[in-house]
Amino acid sequence: IAGITQAPTSQILAAGRRMTLRCTQDMRHNAMYWYRQDLGLGLRLIHYSNTAGTTGKGEVPDGYSVSRANTDDFPLTLASAVPSQTSVYFCASRDRDSGELFFGEGSRLTVL
Amino acid sequence: SQKIEQNSEALNIQEGKTATLTCNYTNYSPAYLQWYRQDPGRGPVFLLLIRENEKEKRKERLKVTFDTTLKQSLFHITASQPADSATYLCALRVPGGSYIPTFGRGTSLIVHP
Repeated sequence: IAGITQAPTSQILAAGRRMTLRCTQDMRHNAMYWYRQDLGLGLRLIHYSNTAGTTGKGEVPDGYSVSRANTDDFPLTLASAVPSQTSVYFCASRDRDSGELFFGEGSRLTVL
Repeated sequence: SQKIEQNSEALNIQEGKTATLTCNYTNYSPAYLQWYRQDPGRGPVFLLLIRENEKEKRKERLKVTFDTTLKQSLFHITASQPADSATYLCALRVPGGSYIPTFGRGTSLIVHP
């Protein structure tokens, strides 16, 4: 089934450690996004990429970095995790014609 | 910046009734507005999109309206069922520039049998 694949599904991480959340899509969408979702705060955009080779900052980019070496992959890296980065992270891609966003099932990250 | 407001209180309704959820926004007129459904522990799933020049859009038991004067979208589920219980998110895109999907915080719908 075509869609967004995220890994890992969940992870417990010690503060100060580096972590990369993986996101892969097989729909050949140009635009991809990373959101974090926290109780009471909804989905907040971290970083986005409109096409391979380009990235941009969203609403809450501090402490995160992304890369977009090709169309399919859009990894999110936490260089030095802090407890406030405990959250559920969603990757999404956008169909240019319909505007519909396709989401992965999320990566639940706990930083201790 | 764009602000999107959805009722933070859960909406409790009886099975068979019509559920109506509200999405209000400020500052800009979006090119289009979308509604998503999110179940616990899952990613959001797209339901409907309505463009700024459309007043109403329907899909099966779902209906969305878009009033650019009131800066409001209403999302209706008719003949609601317990399986409709979920969190419903609205998202919008402002016209022009780089597309940045912005989401409301979502409203939880609970349909009681």
